[in-house]
Amino acid sequence: DAGITQSPRYKITETGRQVTLMCHQTWSHSYMFWYRQDLGHGLRLIYYSAAADITDKGEVPDGYVVSRSKTENFPLTLESATRSQTSVYFCASSEDSNSPLHFGNGTRLTVT
Amino acid sequence: QKEVEQNSGPLSVPEGAIASLNCTYSDRVSQSFFWYRQYSGKSPELIMSIYSNGDKEDGRFTAQLNKASQYVSLLIRDSQPSDSATYLCAVNIPGFQKLVFGTGTRLLVSP
Repeated sequence: DAGITQSPRYKITETGRQVTLMCHQTWSHSYMFWYRQDLGHGLRLIYYSAAADITDKGEVPDGYVVSRSKTENFPLTLESATRSQTSVYFCASSEDSNSPLHFGNGTRLTVT
Repeated sequence: QKEVEQNSGPLSVPEGAIASLNCTYSDRVSQSFFWYRQYSGKSPELIMSIYSNGDKEDGRFTAQLNKASQYVSLLIRDSQPSDSATYLCAVNIPGFQKLVFGTGTRLLVSP
């Protein structure tokens, strides 16, 4: 089925560990985004990508790394997880910069 | 000033009433405006897009855009308990290739 999928849905990790959240879309959308959502802050943009091999920082990029070697994949890596990175992470894609975003189901990450 | 502002609510309306959700934005040159619905524990779901001044209707939903006053609103007619959710307003930021989201308004529709 076409769409955008995230994995895993739930992840518990320890402080200091590296964690990678996966995102895959089948629409061939140019743009892909990573947001985190926390109570009181709403959705905050971590990183986005306008095309393969093009990425840019969002509002809260510190502690995160992204790559986009293929149009359909946009993994997000927490290099050394901290408790403040406990959050729900959403990946999204859009056709272009003026089009709406379509969200994946999210990954709930807990850092202990 | 936040780029996109919404009243956090909750906004409580009885079943069958009209729910009115409002959003203001700071960037005068924004061109694209979206309303998303998010149920608890779920991802945001697009319900309306609007690009030009005026009203846009889709079923029970009407989006209203006033660029001069920099606000966009969402009306939900004949509100149902299943409409109870958080509604997120999103506005594009020209030149930055991204959407900025408000923190959302929680809507509660009571039977």
